[in-house]
Amino acid sequence: EDKVVQSPLSLVVHEGDTVTLNCSYEVTNFRSLLWYKQEKKAPTFLFMLTSSGIEKKSGRLSSILDKKELFSILNITATQTGDSAVYLCASQGGSEKLVFGKGTKLTVNP
Amino acid sequence: NAGVMQNPRHLVRRRGQEARLRCSPMKGHSHVYWYRQLPEEGLKFMVYLQKENIIDESGMPKERFSAEFPKEGPSILRIQQVVRGDSAAYFCASSAGRDIATNEKLFFGSGTQLSVL
Repeated sequence: EDKVVQSPLSLVVHEGDTVTLNCSYEVTNFRSLLWYKQEKKAPTFLFMLTSSGIEKKSGRLSSILDKKELFSILNITATQTGDSAVYLCASQGGSEKLVFGKGTKLTVNP
Repeated sequence: NAGVMQNPRHLVRRRGQEARLRCSPMKGHSHVYWYRQLPEEGLKFMVYLQKENIIDESGMPKERFSAEFPKEGPSILRIQQVVRGDSAAYFCASSAGRDIATNEKLFFGSGTQLSVL
């Protein structure tokens, strides 16, 4: 059965800190790995990764995939209180569905 | 440009009643996915539909749950004879196609929070 595991499950930091969120996966016929940010309710798309070693960046957020070791990390530099959210990692294998991890709850304190 | 619209936002039902959750995909999207999220859990896939077709319902319980996406109108997730364990947030997502690239354009609605008393 396809599986996605995220760590840590929760994280509390101060504004300005840098954080690294981890995601490991076991997926048959891997096609892509995705990161979402969930505040309040609707998950919003952050990144989609399909190739190893290519970093994707968006402002203070960046992510990279290691297909050999089957994991991805999401980095957030200079964190702000607005970064507080649950960050979800999901992977897509041979079917259309996404398999999600439990998420990492990030709290950024002023 | 409206996003994925789900209603109601909150639904309260007593045990044994029926729950109907609606999802209107983004304009131009013909692929709809339903996910369920329990507290402190990630999203769990339930069903994937295209217009008038169920493509993958491997995540949906065999009993009491059904889904449809008619030619006209929203997608409906129907739960009959609800039990307390059905209490969860139900999310709908839509995309324009099934190509891998469309994962970047998979948009989620704000969800329906179902509470079963």
